[in-house]
Amino acid sequence: SQQGEEDPQALSIQEGENATMNCSYKTSINNLQWYRQNSGRGLVHLILIRSNEREKHSGRLRVTLDTSKKSSSLLITASRAADTASYFCATPIKAAGNKLTFGGGTRVLVKP
Amino acid sequence: DAGVTQSPTHLIKTRGQQVTLRCSPKSGHDTVSWYQQALGQGPQFIFQYYEEEERQRGNFPDRFSGHQFPNYSSELNVNALLLGDSALYLCASSLVADYEQYFGPGTRLTVT
Repeated sequence: SQQGEEDPQALSIQEGENATMNCSYKTSINNLQWYRQNSGRGLVHLILIRSNEREKHSGRLRVTLDTSKKSSSLLITASRAADTASYFCATPIKAAGNKLTFGGGTRVLVKP
Repeated sequence: DAGVTQSPTHLIKTRGQQVTLRCSPKSGHDTVSWYQQALGQGPQFIFQYYEEEERQRGNFPDRFSGHQFPNYSSELNVNALLLGDSALYLCASSLVADYEQYFGPGTRLTVT
């Protein structure tokens, strides 16, 4: 079974708007990571947030983590057409060689 | 510095055949993980190699096997291909003690 589940499954916005997606997970974590995937190709690592952090920023990305609710959110501000992609949250399982467990992803379409 | 590379990019096989996919890790990385991503889903962990041995394995049958070479590159072999094996196969490399994994562009396998 998947550790993380993203919500919504799909999101369509206009260029310049903000995009927010959420991730819920089941077990305790050391960190949570967000990845982007363009057109079914390789995953690009966006940001890692550790379990003792509540918020982290990277450029136009803002990630929050609420370990009490076992949830995280990814906010993309001032979206661009190039942000059109699928976004996945993933959690590593340290006892299993840091293998990543992924959710089903959120497909984001940014319309120009 | 080359990132993770995978070959071939695309592959079409017939049911019952065997296939070998290849991966070269990012320079300096010693651990290689393989993931299967079915269309519209998140990646699923297949197995991980470190020091030329399989360290962790996901819920995949024995038809899926792998190998890691002394130069840290890796192969994924799938025997007796099924239609359901059609997917994007992703390779990721990391340092054994590091959480961040770097993904290659993937190999798209189609089984007819």
